[in-house]
Amino acid sequence: NAGVTQTPKFQVLKTGQSMTLQCAQDMNHEYMSWYRQDPGMGLRLIHYSVGAGITDQGEVPNGYNVSRSTTEDFPLRLLSAAPSQTSVYFCASSIRDRGSYEQYFGPGTRLTVT
Amino acid sequence: KNQVEQSPQSLIILEGKNCTLQCNYTVSPFSNLRWYKQDTGRGPVSLTIMTFSENTKSNGRYTATLDADTKQSSLHITASQLSDSASYICVVSAGGSQGNLIFGKGTKLSVKP
Repeated sequence: NAGVTQTPKFQVLKTGQSMTLQCAQDMNHEYMSWYRQDPGMGLRLIHYSVGAGITDQGEVPNGYNVSRSTTEDFPLRLLSAAPSQTSVYFCASSIRDRGSYEQYFGPGTRLTVT
Repeated sequence: KNQVEQSPQSLIILEGKNCTLQCNYTVSPFSNLRWYKQDTGRGPVSLTIMTFSENTKSNGRYTATLDADTKQSSLHITASQLSDSASYICVVSAGGSQGNLIFGKGTKLSVKP
């Protein structure tokens, strides 16, 4: 299994540009999430999905869109990039294990918006 | 407000020494507490998950403890190795869906030869 994969690894955008961060998992996990990680802060949840066709907002959803058409894929779309969206983005998938959700994180996408 | 506080913010130790990282939380309701290891430039990797009824859980040289009464957890690393250099993140689940995970800011550990 490849686990959770993310592309691209690095991206530089100009303010106002749009792009999609890709996330895929091959573990047949129901749950998938997107986080951003900024210096001096804990990971913050952007959006999450409990299954294909179902998504919900997390703590910091503004400026981002998601969709979940398949179990495997959970892309994150930046509609109009802003410098405040410069961050490292992590995708995670989860499986329920004895009442807890074991999360598996991808390697991250480092995004810079100029 | 649900919060997870970790201490120290950073720590430097010599290879072979032991260390203990702390996590205090004010999260309600409490479902479980996790410790993650995050190497530089990589995603977090789970070390342990503990529910309310578990006081201690080990994963090799890593031992996590949980005191649900005082809402404190610790992560003890025994006989540290250079590869232990990483950030260690404490995460508390308030139960329910994936939207209820509260992340600490992490402790950055550096192990020097």
